[in-house]
Amino acid sequence: NAGVIQTPRHKVTGKGQEATLWCEPISGHSAVFWYRQTIVQGLEFLTYFRNQAPIDDSGMPKERFSAQMPNQSHSTLKIQSTQPQDSAVYLCASSLGGGQDTQYFGPGTRLLVL
Amino acid sequence: GDSVTQTEGQVALSEEDFLTIHCNYSASGYPALFWYVQYPGEGPQFLFRASRDKEKGSSRGFEATYNKEATSFHLQKASVQESDSAVYYCALNNTGANTGKLTFGHGTILRVHP
Repeated sequence: NAGVIQTPRHKVTGKGQEATLWCEPISGHSAVFWYRQTIVQGLEFLTYFRNQAPIDDSGMPKERFSAQMPNQSHSTLKIQSTQPQDSAVYLCASSLGGGQDTQYFGPGTRLLVL
Repeated sequence: GDSVTQTEGQVALSEEDFLTIHCNYSASGYPALFWYVQYPGEGPQFLFRASRDKEKGSSRGFEATYNKEATSFHLQKASVQESDSAVYYCALNNTGANTGKLTFGHGTILRVHP
């Protein structure tokens, strides 16, 4: 059974460019989460979808960041006008039904903004 | 808001030593508690969980017991191996906040020397 798939694994962008990160959740899981990991801040929650609907985006920066889940098999995190401080590992996780269900993480996308 | 505090920095042990990584939490509701392990270049990997007071979670020789009175969920292993070297994260999921997000501690680096 395949785990959470994230592409690309590594992405390098220039300051001001756009970055789109992709996540394919575990088949049959209805909840998808995005987190960001940095040395300084650790693991931070960004946003959460259940049955493709946005449930909680309280961790998303108000500007330049957006996330979508157009169908049950993938979600995207888009960062417009990337800045060096956006450099981080972006992790996607999925769970069976959300709530307190166990979340399973993908390998992450390492984003470097030059 | 919710928070998790765990043993800071690095724990250095020799093979067959006893391991304890402390985890204490602060949450308004009745959270589920988790331990995750992260190896270099990978996402956090679910180790085990506990959802109610006095419940013990365990996996691969690691264990922790939910202690609601002490607000703790300390990770222990009787005899560590070099292959256990990784970063360990304690996390909580508080449905009292009506969200499925995980709140993580800052992680503890475990180094096991042969």
